[in-house]
Amino acid sequence: DAKTTQPPSMDCAEGRAANLPCNHSTISGNEYVYWYRQIHSQGPQYIIHGLKNNETNEMASLIITEDRKSSTLILPHATLRDTAVYYCIVRVGNTNAGKSTFGDGTTLTVKP
Amino acid sequence: DAGVTQSPTHLIKTRGQQVTLRCSPKSGHDTVSWYQQALGQGPQFIFQYYEEEERQRGNFPDRFSGHQFPNYSSELNVNALLLGDSALYLCASSLGTGYGKLFFGSGTQLSVL
Repeated sequence: DAKTTQPPSMDCAEGRAANLPCNHSTISGNEYVYWYRQIHSQGPQYIIHGLKNNETNEMASLIITEDRKSSTLILPHATLRDTAVYYCIVRVGNTNAGKSTFGDGTTLTVKP
Repeated sequence: DAGVTQSPTHLIKTRGQQVTLRCSPKSGHDTVSWYQQALGQGPQFIFQYYEEEERQRGNFPDRFSGHQFPNYSSELNVNALLLGDSALYLCASSLGTGYGKLFFGSGTQLSVL
């Protein structure tokens, strides 16, 4: 599985958009980008994933660059409850043969 | 619909002892993965079980073993505990042929004294 690089920490004002970057320059053609977040003392929670097209769901939007070497997770209106560690993962999709390798993630702090 | 459940939530053991952690996957899921998360770090992949067999393994010694039962539930066993085994142990379930979307339990906090 490809390695990802994320900034260790970011701050965001409540109500503003939070944009979390991820670099995955060695991603392969059959690898998807997944985002999870982990709120203190809980297990990670799935947010969104994508292959090459931008994706949106009720939680967030995922923007993947055309060359697929980087992506951005967007929380459109951050709230205090969005304070968490956010993990970007790349893995082979559509099979249980892939494994999800977590890095140290980005600690997002949403401030009032 | 119950999510992923893990037991116990907390456990205290001493060095050299053995421990068994348990996981029930989300209803309808057939694949279970186990992760170890040390304080301040991301989860580290231990192994994955599918169809009652270990399918993949991370960089963990043989002291870490597991089992998957016909009802898809799983156990993680750790023998000869070391102080460094103190961590949050997370179980994640998924559909075997799905897109790798993992559902995590809240974990078992293991302390080795």
